Amino acid sequence: AQSVTQLDSQVPVFEEAPVELRCNYSSSVSVYLFWYVQYPNQGLQLLLKYLSGSTLVKGINGFEAEFNKSQTSFHLRKPSVHISDTAEYFCAVSLNTGGFKTIFGAGTRLFVKA
Amino acid sequence: DAGVIQSPRHEVTEMGQEVTLRCKPISGHDYLFWYRQTMMRGLELLIYFNNNVPIDDSGMPEDRFSAKMPNASFSTLKIQPSEPRDSAVYFCATHTGTNYGYTFGSGTRLTVV
Repeated sequence: AQSVTQLDSQVPVFEEAPVELRCNYSSSVSVYLFWYVQYPNQGLQLLLKYLSGSTLVKGINGFEAEFNKSQTSFHLRKPSVHISDTAEYFCAVSLNTGGFKTIFGAGTRLFVKA
Repeated sequence: DAGVIQSPRHEVTEMGQEVTLRCKPISGHDYLFWYRQTMMRGLELLIYFNNNVPIDDSGMPEDRFSAKMPNASFSTLKIQPSEPRDSAVYFCATHTGTNYGYTFGSGTRLTVV
């Protein structure tokens, strides 16, 4: 079975500072990896995805993530955050077979302070 | 495209009442998923459909929950009878078989009192 662990429930950071949100996954088969963002009272929005190929994936809003197969990690990074990045971030894993069931991590609350 | 549309946005009902949540997926997206989000349990997959056919309903918590997709443009999630522990935000999400990554609706916040 697949599982996703987001190592930090909350990450406070000052505006314009860099941030890393950590994600580890467990799976016995190949998976696809995703990061989603959820703003208050909204649905989740896809930030970026890793399917295959280059292990460094760039997404929207200046975010990027790096797939590390040996460490089974998919950490999300941004070099300089803005107040508007304050939101809940979810790491997710999906089997790369038919069905595409996706398992979500518990979420990391990013709080950007002025 | 208007995206995934869910209705209602908010629903408050009394325990024991029937509740129906609705979802209009994006045209051409042949997979549809229902998720439930709570503080305690996070995002839980309840059921998903492929080409209107239920594929996996192992996440449906009890027989009180049922979901249908009568056609490609409409799905419902019904709870009968509702209980306070069903209070949550229910999301509908879709994707195509080749464009990986979900598109979520804005959710329905259900409160059962």
